[in-house]
Amino acid sequence: AQTVTQSQPEMSVQEAETVTLSCTYDTSESNYYLFWYKQPPSRQMILVIRQEAYKQQNATENRFSVNFQKAAKSFSLKISDSQLGDTAMYFCAFMKNFGNEKLTFGTGTRLTIIP
Amino acid sequence: DAGVTQSPTHLIKTRGQHVTLRCSPISGHKSVSWYQQVLGQGPQFIFQYYEKEERGRGNFPDRFSARQFPNYSSELNVNALLLGDSALYLCASSLRGLGETQYFGPGTRLLVL
Repeated sequence: AQTVTQSQPEMSVQEAETVTLSCTYDTSESNYYLFWYKQPPSRQMILVIRQEAYKQQNATENRFSVNFQKAAKSFSLKISDSQLGDTAMYFCAFMKNFGNEKLTFGTGTRLTIIP
Repeated sequence: DAGVTQSPTHLIKTRGQHVTLRCSPISGHKSVSWYQQVLGQGPQFIFQYYEKEERGRGNFPDRFSARQFPNYSSELNVNALLLGDSALYLCASSLRGLGETQYFGPGTRLLVL
């Protein structure tokens, strides 16, 4: 069974600074997908970024980028020029490449952006 | 285009009752998945349906059931409610149901008293 670990329950950073959220996972699969989702206080889960394990290039979406280290089974999220709207719970999630679309989530990191 | 919609937004039930939660996927999406999110935890996978067939089931008791309709909307049913069923129930849809990005609805907050 796959497991996803987020070791930082809470983080805070000043507005405009850069912050990195950590995620490690455990799997015996070689092909899979990794995601970061954001859940603001309004509770709607929003996709931040997606990474396919077969791609060596790290995914980037505007101010959000990942550091995907497949051998180390690490998938961290970097938020640059943080904004007040980035305040949310951030969940790392794993999906196998076959069978079904089950997402396995970590326990989340609560990120607060301080004005 | 409308995103994933869920109804109702909030629900209060008592132990032993049953509940039906509803989800409409993004237009054109054929896969619907259900997750349970207990306060302070990450979502837990309950079911995935694709083209009206169950494609996956999580580690939940038989009190939990679901189905998908020809228009790809879905219902999650929970019988014999327990206090521990109190949670946010999230529905997510994707285009083809395998390896796709899932888009989540706003959820239904269920409180069991």
